Amino acid sequence: EIVLTQSPGTLSLSPGERATLSCRATQSVTGNFLAWYRHKPGQAPRLLIYGASSRATGIPDRFSGSGSGTDFTLTISGLEPEDFAVYYCQQYHTAPPYTFGQGTRLEIK
Amino acid sequence: EVQVVESGGGLVQPGGSLRLSCSASGFTFSTSSMHWVRQAPSKGLEYVSGISSNGRATYYAESVKGRFTISRDNSKNTLHLQMSSLTTEDTAVYYCVKDGYRGWFDTWGQGRQVTVSS
Repeated sequence: EIVLTQSPGTLSLSPGERATLSCRATQSVTGNFLAWYRHKPGQAPRLLIYGASSRATGIPDRFSGSGSGTDFTLTISGLEPEDFAVYYCQQYHTAPPYTFGQGTRLEIK
Repeated sequence: EVQVVESGGGLVQPGGSLRLSCSASGFTFSTSSMHWVRQAPSKGLEYVSGISSNGRATYYAESVKGRFTISRDNSKNTLHLQMSSLTTEDTAVYYCVKDGYRGWFDTWGQGRQVTVSS
């Protein structure tokens, strides 16, 4: 099973700043089969990035994904109020069951 | 509009059973793999179960294998999760999720609360 570790656990930033979230896998995620989601309290999670770097439909370009192999990054340039939430990475390299990281909480400083 | 809506769930005693259903609309259900993901209180997202578009392949997390059964009815655009031998560890919000093609989740339901308590 591929285990995903996200860092930091909590990130405190101000609106307008840049956020950098990390997701590290215990083995190579071949094909860059990695996705990122934003989850706000009381709402359904929303897909942001798939294939490590492709933005999902309707996702603004302040969200970008990068990385390959075992190290992946989600960057949010110019934080908006709605971006303060919990972010999860997910791998779909192997057949299900898929795995999620434990999450990074992005909070307002 | 692509949409999935969960129903069912609720409160059940340990050892009991519950069934979740998910009604899909706005896309060709019969060509999409579907999944269930849950979030326990104060915890992160956890993959629960998945099923291929034709229903021939099913997948389960180790934590629910042998207790949960996923199924689908493509004629009714409906996904089900039959849960038995429930424990307090199964208490969570359960999300119905549409597969985006290769394993990412592009559409999520609003979630359904399942509480296992005596």
